[in-house]
Amino acid sequence: AQKVTQAQTEISVVEKEDVTLDCVYETRDTTYYLFWYKQPPSGELVFLIRRNSFDEQNEISGRYSWNFQKSTSSFNFTITASQVVDSAVYFCALTRSGGSNYKLTFGKGTLLTVNP
Amino acid sequence: DAGVIQSPRHEVTEMGQEVTLRCKPISGHDYLFWYRQTMMRGLELLIYFNNNVPIDDSGMPEDRFSAKMPNASFSTLKIQPSEPRDSAVYFCASSLIGTSMDTQYFGPGTRLTVL
Repeated sequence: AQKVTQAQTEISVVEKEDVTLDCVYETRDTTYYLFWYKQPPSGELVFLIRRNSFDEQNEISGRYSWNFQKSTSSFNFTITASQVVDSAVYFCALTRSGGSNYKLTFGKGTLLTVNP
Repeated sequence: DAGVIQSPRHEVTEMGQEVTLRCKPISGHDYLFWYRQTMMRGLELLIYFNNNVPIDDSGMPEDRFSAKMPNASFSTLKIQPSEPRDSAVYFCASSLIGTSMDTQYFGPGTRLTVL
């Protein structure tokens, strides 16, 4: 069975602080995808990034960066110089790669509040 | 390009009434997913389709829930009869599996309130 754990339920920071959202996953699959989604107060789910289990390179996109470590089954997300607009619930998710079961397993989410 | 479209965005109904939620996936996508989000259970998959065929409906909570996909551009999720515990946000997502695009893109959701 697959499982995603986001141990941080809520995080509150002051604008311009760096913040890291933790994600730990469990899977028996040898190939899989990891994702991060953002859910702003308006409620929609916005895709941020997908990472293939074969690719452990870290990725940076503007103020966002992701650290994938298979050895610790973690896929952490860092926001540098946070802004008020980053306030949202962030979900980490996992799915099998290939085969026929594409169910996304989500973590419970981390509510990030960035205060001015 | 238009994203996933869901209607209605908000639905308020009374217990016992039939509710129909609608979804139009991204054109060309071959997988469609229905999720439910609640505070207690988080985001959970209800059912998904591949090329209009239901593949896994193990997440459908009970017989009161049914989903159909009559063609590649339309799907419905029906609850009959509705109950207050069905109150949640229902998301539809679509994807194109097997390519570098196999990421699920979500619609804006339908917020259902059953009184």
